[in-house]
Amino acid sequence: EAQVTQNPRYLITVTGKKLTVTCSQNMNHEYMSWYRQDPGLGLRQIYYSMNVEVTDKGDVPEGYKVSRKEKRNFPLILESPSPNQTSLYFCASSLVAGGGGETQYFGPGTRLLVL
Amino acid sequence: QKEVEQNSGPLSVPEGAIASLNCTYSDRGSQSFFWYRQYSGKSPELIMSIYSNGDKEDGRFTAQLNKASQYVSLLIRDSQPSDSATYLCALEDSSASKIIFGSGTRLSIRP
Repeated sequence: EAQVTQNPRYLITVTGKKLTVTCSQNMNHEYMSWYRQDPGLGLRQIYYSMNVEVTDKGDVPEGYKVSRKEKRNFPLILESPSPNQTSLYFCASSLVAGGGGETQYFGPGTRLLVL
Repeated sequence: QKEVEQNSGPLSVPEGAIASLNCTYSDRGSQSFFWYRQYSGKSPELIMSIYSNGDKEDGRFTAQLNKASQYVSLLIRDSQPSDSATYLCALEDSSASKIIFGSGTRLSIRP
């Protein structure tokens, strides 16, 4: 089954404690991205990756890091989480970025609370 | 900053009627447009994509694109309670390899 998985699904942490949210896809997609979703603000892209070892900033990259060492995995790292990073996070993958009728698959989401 | 604008709603429509969702955008170079449906607490799912001016129909859903007016819409015919969700308009940024989303319109279908 084609899917994007994220772990953990729910996380409560404290300010400053480093955390990693994992993302994995089994569709051999080249393009992967991370979004955060906040009420009234919609989905905002944090980082994206066009291929292995190729990453770029999205619209709200501050406070986040990513890596793309393997095609299937795209972890999101919060080195020193702060309360304003409390949000719902989605990982997504697609064969190419947008266009061409390709479906962007979303993971199930990770709800993060930073105290 | 390229923008995608949607009315946040909620838009309340009686069951069986046509729901009309609208979206405007600022990026004149965009060529690819999408509508996603998102149920509360769930991830977005793509329901329509459109690339050319005019209408594109898929079952009860019709997407409409007018690039001159920078306007995209989604019509849902014979609305069902299961259509109650937030609908996200999105487009591919013409200058960067990324998707830009609107903040979504909450649709409620009343029995």
